Amino acid sequence: GAVVSQHPSRVICKSGTSVKIECRSLDFQATTMFWYRQFPKQSLMLMATSNEGSKATYEQGVEKDKFLINHASLTLSTLTVTSAHPEDSSFYICSARDQQSSETQYFGPGTRLLVL
Amino acid sequence: GENVEQHPSTLSVQEGDSAVIKCTYSDSASNYFPWYKQELGKGPQLIIDIRSNVGEKKDQRIAVTLNKTAKHFSLHITETQPEDSAVYFCAASGTSYGKLTFGQGTILTVHP
Repeated sequence: GAVVSQHPSRVICKSGTSVKIECRSLDFQATTMFWYRQFPKQSLMLMATSNEGSKATYEQGVEKDKFLINHASLTLSTLTVTSAHPEDSSFYICSARDQQSSETQYFGPGTRLLVL
Repeated sequence: GENVEQHPSTLSVQEGDSAVIKCTYSDSASNYFPWYKQELGKGPQLIIDIRSNVGEKKDQRIAVTLNKTAKHFSLHITETQPEDSAVYFCAASGTSYGKLTFGQGTILTVHP
C-alpha cells in the first residue's frame, strides 16, 4: 500500500516553455501533498505544501508564479514549471501525507527535468 | 525553524557489519522522526519512523533510537547487505501538517 506515482518520469523541454508534472496517490487519500526539489548529491528542499481545495503554501525563496501548484482532488496534485529556464533543471519529487496517519509521508519516484 | 544535522556524510562497511547513522535536531517541539532510503534516480522510500512517545523501534534488521532530552536519533542497520547501499536521509517534523526537515544525507556503501 501507500503508493505515490509521478508523471512524467523524465522530460526535456526548450527554454521558455512550460512543463506540468502530476503526482497521484494511488491507494490512499492525501489531504496534503508536498513538492520537493533535489539537486545532485544534495538533500531534498521543500518547495511548497499543497492542501486539497486550497492555495499552496510556498517556502521562502520559491516563486509561486513560476511554480504553479494545483491540488484539485484528494489523489492528484500538479506542479507546473512556467517559462522554464536551464537553471530549473532538477529532480522534482512529490510526497503525499496519508489522511489516516497525520505524519507519514510517502514519496513519488521523482521527475527529472532538463531544460535546454 | 527546525534544523537537522546528519552524520556521517559517507559510510563504508563490509557485508555483515552493522551501520549507524546519527541525526540531531534543534526544535524541541518536533515529535516525528522518519528515515528514508533513496536509490540513485529514485524517490525516497520510508524505511522506519519513530514518534516521540517511544525511545526505540525495530523492524527486522533496522532499528531507530530516539533521545528526546539530547535531541538526537539514530538509525541502526545490522547484518548489512550490498543491497542496503544507498543514500539515507533522516527527517524531523513537529507541525500538525507534517512538514519535514531533512538531514543532509548519508551515502552508505556495503562492500561484498
